[in-house]
Amino acid sequence: EIVLTQSPDFLSAAPEEKVIITCRASQSIGSSLHWYQQKPDQSPKLLIKFASQSFSGVPSRFSGSGSGTDFTLTINSLEAEDAATYYCHQSASLPLTFGGGTKVEI
Amino acid sequence: QVQLQESGPGLVKPSQTLSLTCTVSGGSISSGSYYWSWIRQPAGKGLEWIGRIQSNGNTNYKSSLEGRVTISIDTSKNQFSLKLSSVTAADTAMYYCVRGRSSGWYPDPWGQGTRVIVSS
Repeated sequence: EIVLTQSPDFLSAAPEEKVIITCRASQSIGSSLHWYQQKPDQSPKLLIKFASQSFSGVPSRFSGSGSGTDFTLTINSLEAEDAATYYCHQSASLPLTFGGGTKVEI
Repeated sequence: QVQLQESGPGLVKPSQTLSLTCTVSGGSISSGSYYWSWIRQPAGKGLEWIGRIQSNGNTNYKSSLEGRVTISIDTSKNQFSLKLSSVTAADTAMYYCVRGRSSGWYPDPWGQGTRVIVSS
């Protein structure tokens, strides 16, 4: 099973700051890494697919990068509505797995 | 636009079988281009993939749940279902149904989720 380790577990940042969340895979997964945003009492929403491809309708301040085992989600110019928990998810091999999540506080 | 909606009992007794259904609207579940999957999330915790099915009935399950889990599909009703047997309190969670592409999986869209509590 591929383990995804996210860091940090929690971060607090001010509006307009730049935030970087990392996701490390226990083995190489190519670019089969996706990022989700989950707000309280909502289902997860896709932000980035295949490491760096922005999903339709996602604000341009969200971007992803990386390949192999190391990936990052960057939020440029943080906004109040970005308060949420962010998860990475790998689809390189079964079982499909998720990172433990990073809670972002504004 | 495809939408998914979970339904089923919110309370299940320990040792019994949890049964949930996902109804798909705005698109056909018969498309061979997609997997139909279940993911769960205990309160305050992370996401766990349970398994998935294709329209031809091919399934994949998380190995730690294999033996207890069955995912089935009913193309006539545009629905797919989850059965999880011998449940314990550890199976208490929000259960989501999702769609993912067969060629290049990423789960989207998601249903709104249904909360299942395992308690006597």
